[in-house]
Amino acid sequence: GQNIDQPTEMTATEGAIVQINCTYQTSGFNGLFWYQQHAGEAPTFLSYNVLDGLEEKGRFSSFLSRSKGYSYLLLKELQMKDSASYLCVPWVGGYQKVTFGTGTKLQVIP
Amino acid sequence: DVKVTQSSRYLVKRTGEKVFLECVQDMDHENMFWYRQDPGLGLRLIYFSYDVKMKEKGDIPEGYSVSREKKERFSLILESASTNQTSMYLCASSSSQGDEQYFGPGTRLTVT
Repeated sequence: GQNIDQPTEMTATEGAIVQINCTYQTSGFNGLFWYQQHAGEAPTFLSYNVLDGLEEKGRFSSFLSRSKGYSYLLLKELQMKDSASYLCVPWVGGYQKVTFGTGTKLQVIP
Repeated sequence: DVKVTQSSRYLVKRTGEKVFLECVQDMDHENMFWYRQDPGLGLRLIYFSYDVKMKEKGDIPEGYSVSREKKERFSLILESASTNQTSMYLCASSSSQGDEQYFGPGTRLTVT
């Protein structure tokens, strides 16, 4: 089975930096996805980490430590439109389904 | 751009009706998925398919069936709709195992 642990809610200020942490326990591991989901909308893909380290993509970066079962999503220069839920999604490999948790609901305030 | 479309954004059905939700993707993706999302529960996988005519049960298949006769189309069927199937239904597709999933806009189904 899979166990994913993320904070339920976070609040941050416009223009600031926020880090959303995720720890996971899975039977097998191939990589980890981050998705963004705005209220009332479908999730959209943000990043995929398969190797240890930091992957940077514009204002968003994602970090993975396979040995620690740990990942984080870093959002810089926060904008109001970044208010959304962020889903940490481990993939165990093969045709195994991924499990989407409830994610972290981020509120950006002025 | 990958496009995943769903037949309806909003749907209202009566208890006991047979309901068909259609999903079409235009990128020749191998894998297709049906999820439902309820407040506080996140996305839960109902069924997925990794090839034409192939299907695998997800976490909550009871009360649902699926059909994939063509690669681009994946249908979710509620054999006899019940009020506890009122939910947001999301379809997704991915190119191959381990690739990111692309989601359709969702169908908000209300069963009265």
